[in-house]
Amino acid sequence: DAGVTQSPTHLIKTRGQQVTLRCSPKSGHDTVSWYQQALGQGPQFIFQYYEEEERQRGNFPDRFSGHQFPNYSSELNVNALLLGDSALYLCASSLGAGAGYEQYFGPGTRLTVT
Amino acid sequence: GESVGLHLPTLSVQEGDNSIINCAYSNSASDYFIWYKQESGKGPQFIIDIRSNMDKRQGQRVTVLLNKTVKHLSLQIAATQPGDSAVYFCAETASGYGQNFVFGPGTRLSVLP
Repeated sequence: DAGVTQSPTHLIKTRGQQVTLRCSPKSGHDTVSWYQQALGQGPQFIFQYYEEEERQRGNFPDRFSGHQFPNYSSELNVNALLLGDSALYLCASSLGAGAGYEQYFGPGTRLTVT
Repeated sequence: GESVGLHLPTLSVQEGDNSIINCAYSNSASDYFIWYKQESGKGPQFIIDIRSNMDKRQGQRVTVLLNKTVKHLSLQIAATQPGDSAVYFCAETASGYGQNFVFGPGTRLSVLP
């Protein structure tokens, strides 16, 4: 049983460009959350998707958007990249959207903006 | 693998000793807390959780203590092993905020042989 997978592993983009990161949840999971983890810091919640809709959102600008597909996989899109968007982007999946459902994290995508 | 944190507070313990990792949380309305372990090149891994109606919960070799009065959380690891070396994060959320967890800054645990 595959766990949470993310692609790509690493990505280098130029300031102002757009990027799409992908996540496949653990088998049987229907909820996906995205986190941004800057170097030396804890993860910061970006948003959560459940039933193909954004259910919760953290304190991130509209440049960050997402999508969930019928197979529960998800994409994170970031427009107009800034140098400060350089970080590890983590995807987590769970059986449900509530806090009590254990989240399983993927290995992350390292985004570098130059 | 990925370096999780280069300048985190570090706790160094001797193999076999007990470890205590502390966390101060910020929101007095938080009622659910989780400790995560993050190894280099990996995402965070759930260790143990506790709800605000409890002040102590035990798992296998781990114990979490919650002091709501001073908004403090601790993780105790018994008989620390080399495989316990990692960065540890506490995370909090409040009812109604679902999985909108707020993570602490993390502590690097280094187990000495």
